[in-house]
Amino acid sequence: DAMVIQNPRYQVTQFGKPVTLSCSQTLNHNVMYWYQQKSSQAPKLLFHYYDKDFNNEADTPDNFQSRRPNTSFCFLDIRSPGLGDAAMYLCATSRGGTLNEQFFGPGTRLTVL
Amino acid sequence: GDSVTQMEGPVTLSEEAFLTINCTYTATGYPSLFWYVQYPGEGLQLLLKATKADDKGSNKGFEATYRKETTSFHLEKGSVQVSDSAVYFCAPSSYNTDKLIFGTGTRLQVFP
Repeated sequence: DAMVIQNPRYQVTQFGKPVTLSCSQTLNHNVMYWYQQKSSQAPKLLFHYYDKDFNNEADTPDNFQSRRPNTSFCFLDIRSPGLGDAAMYLCATSRGGTLNEQFFGPGTRLTVL
Repeated sequence: GDSVTQMEGPVTLSEEAFLTINCTYTATGYPSLFWYVQYPGEGLQLLLKATKADDKGSNKGFEATYRKETTSFHLEKGSVQVSDSAVYFCAPSSYNTDKLIFGTGTRLQVFP
C-alpha cells in the first residue's frame, strides 16, 4: 500500500542535543510537509517543500531545519532541542493545489529530557 | 486572513446518538473543505472532503455539505459508535497555496 512512513515513532533526546526525524513516502507526491502538534492542539505547519522548493512559515524558529534530498524522503532537523520542542511531529504529503488532500504519517513523538 | 472556527469540545454522547460538529470558515475564493480524524497516538486521517458549493462529502456514515452561503461545513453522523471516539479537525484549503488551515479540533467521546 502506498503510504507515508515516519521513523522513529518515538524519539528521546537530551536538552540541546541535535535530533533528526525522518519521513518517506511511496505516493510520489510533489509536496511534503512538516507539522508540530502539541497536546490537545491543532497541527502547526513548520514548513513544506513543493518538489525542491522550500517554504518556511514565518513563525518557525531557526532551530528547525529541513532537507529533502529526493522525492521520497524528507528530514526534520532540530539543532538544539529545548523542553518546549517536545511534541508530536507529523509528516504529510500531497499532490499540491487546493483540491487535493494531505496524507499523514503516524507521527514521531519527541521527548526532550 | 483565512480562518476556521470549530465548536469546542469535548462532545460527549451515548452510543447511537446523533452527532453534529459545527465548522465555519472565512476564506478568500472558493476553498476545498476537509474533515480529518485523529485517533489517540496516531496521525491524521482524511475523513471526507468537498471541493465545490453544495457538494456533500461522506464516509463511514459521516457526512458534511459545503454551504457557500453560510461558509459552513458541519460534520454529522446519524448514529455514533464507541469506535468514533477521536479528535475531529475541520480544514479548509488556503487560497492559492498548497496549505490547509486547521481548526482547533473537537474531541468526541462516545460511551456505551
